[in-house]
Amino acid sequence: RKEVEQDPGPFNVPEGATVAFNCTYSNSASQSFFWYRQDCRKEPKLLMSVYSSGNEDGRFTAQLNRASQYISLLIRDSKLSDSATYLCVVNIVTGGSYIPTFGRGTSLIVHP
Amino acid sequence: DAMVIQNPRYQVTQFGKPVTLSCSQTLNHNVMYWYQQKSSQAPKLLFHYYDKDFNNEADTPDNFQSRRPNTSFCFLDIRSPGLGDAAMYLCATSRTSAGSSYEQYFGPGTRLTVT
Repeated sequence: RKEVEQDPGPFNVPEGATVAFNCTYSNSASQSFFWYRQDCRKEPKLLMSVYSSGNEDGRFTAQLNRASQYISLLIRDSKLSDSATYLCVVNIVTGGSYIPTFGRGTSLIVHP
Repeated sequence: DAMVIQNPRYQVTQFGKPVTLSCSQTLNHNVMYWYQQKSSQAPKLLFHYYDKDFNNEADTPDNFQSRRPNTSFCFLDIRSPGLGDAAMYLCATSRTSAGSSYEQYFGPGTRLTVT
């Protein structure tokens, strides 16, 4: 079983739709959680950190469920510019270091 | 202003010809990472430096080496590139403090082509 799992998609949605991505992690020593966005042939860029209490940034809402070991990202009112790959990243404590572990990414395509 | 800089952005090398990729940062972060990313795949961690301490991933081939001469710079050396090493190489930095870890900042990547 992979340490961080995501549905690769693609999720193909119309503009204005609400879309949700989930990410599960297997290591209970996971310490920090993030969503990154990666456009084609570009580097990943931080979208949101994910806090235990949940957090919202405009149209984006992230949730963490430690008991069930999953993270979610909700995008409301999708825009064409939201089309990208969304990467779930979990920092796992290993031997005193924090190792960022990536999911394989979920592809989102927003169409007119 | 760019915070994590990678040079070159595009590198073409011949099969077996050594190549060095560079990364520099202006963030003064104590951790630096090198990733390999192939098309439609997640970034794969090759190694990272926690301050001066080098940490190699178990499945990173010996063909890949790294140097971090100071806080700001980190290099990836590929001693004998094979066709399978063609990929995007991403450098990232982050900070850790008092038992906490933070988000990573990525450079724009170096796209390596092996002919």
